[in-house]
Amino acid sequence: QQQVKQSPQSLIVQKGGISIINCAYENTAFDYFPWYQQFPGKGPALLIAIRPDVSEKKEGRFTISFNKSAKQFSLHIMDSQPGDSATYFCAANYNQGGKLIFGQGTELSVKP
Amino acid sequence: DADVTQTPRNRITKTGKRIMLECSQTKGHDRMYWYRQDPGLGLRLIYYSFDVKDINKGEISDGYSVSRQAQAKFSLSLESAIPNQTALYFCATSDPGTGLEKLFFGSGTQLSVL
Repeated sequence: QQQVKQSPQSLIVQKGGISIINCAYENTAFDYFPWYQQFPGKGPALLIAIRPDVSEKKEGRFTISFNKSAKQFSLHIMDSQPGDSATYFCAANYNQGGKLIFGQGTELSVKP
Repeated sequence: DADVTQTPRNRITKTGKRIMLECSQTKGHDRMYWYRQDPGLGLRLIYYSFDVKDINKGEISDGYSVSRQAQAKFSLSLESAIPNQTALYFCATSDPGTGLEKLFFGSGTQLSVL
C-alpha cells in the first residue's frame, strides 16, 4: 500500500521552464511534508518542507503548494536549470521525526 | 569528510550468504535509520533506532536485522541474502531538536545478490 503517490515518474523540461511534481497522500494524520533532492551517486538531501497549516512555502526558485482538502502537495521549480537535474522525492510523516513515508520519485532532466 | 559514512559502497554477493552493511556518523545524532531504494518504489524504511537501546522495525524489516553498537554506529545485516534484496541501501541520521526534523543520508551501498 503506497501511502504517498508521486507523479510523474520522469520529467523533461527546457532550461528556464517550470518543473512541477505532484504528490498525493492518504493518511490525514500526516503533519510534515518534505521534499528531498538526490543527485547520482549521492544520498537524498532535504530541499524544502512544509507543515499543513500553510498553503505555500517558497525558498528561492523552489515552492511547495499544499492543498489539505485534496490531500495533495506539489513542488514547483521556477526557471529550471540543468543543475536541477536530479531525482526528487516527496515524503510525509506524523509525529515520528525521520520515519518518513516516501513517494516513488521523479527523475527530472532539464535540457539546455 | 562525510558526516554519515557507509561501507562498503558496492557489494556483490551470492544467494544464501550473510552480509553486513555498516554505517557510522560524526553528527552526534541519536536517531539513525536504514532505508532501501528501489526504482519506481522510492525509499522504504527497514529499521530505525532513536537511541542506543532502542531498535524498531520499519515497513520492510523481514529478512534484515540491525545492531546499534554505539551512538555513532548502526549496522544492517542480511542473514541469508536473496536476489530481491538487490537494491541501493541508505543509512541516515536525524536530530529531533531542530524543529522540522531533517534526515542526513550517507552516499549509499549498492548491493547485488546473485
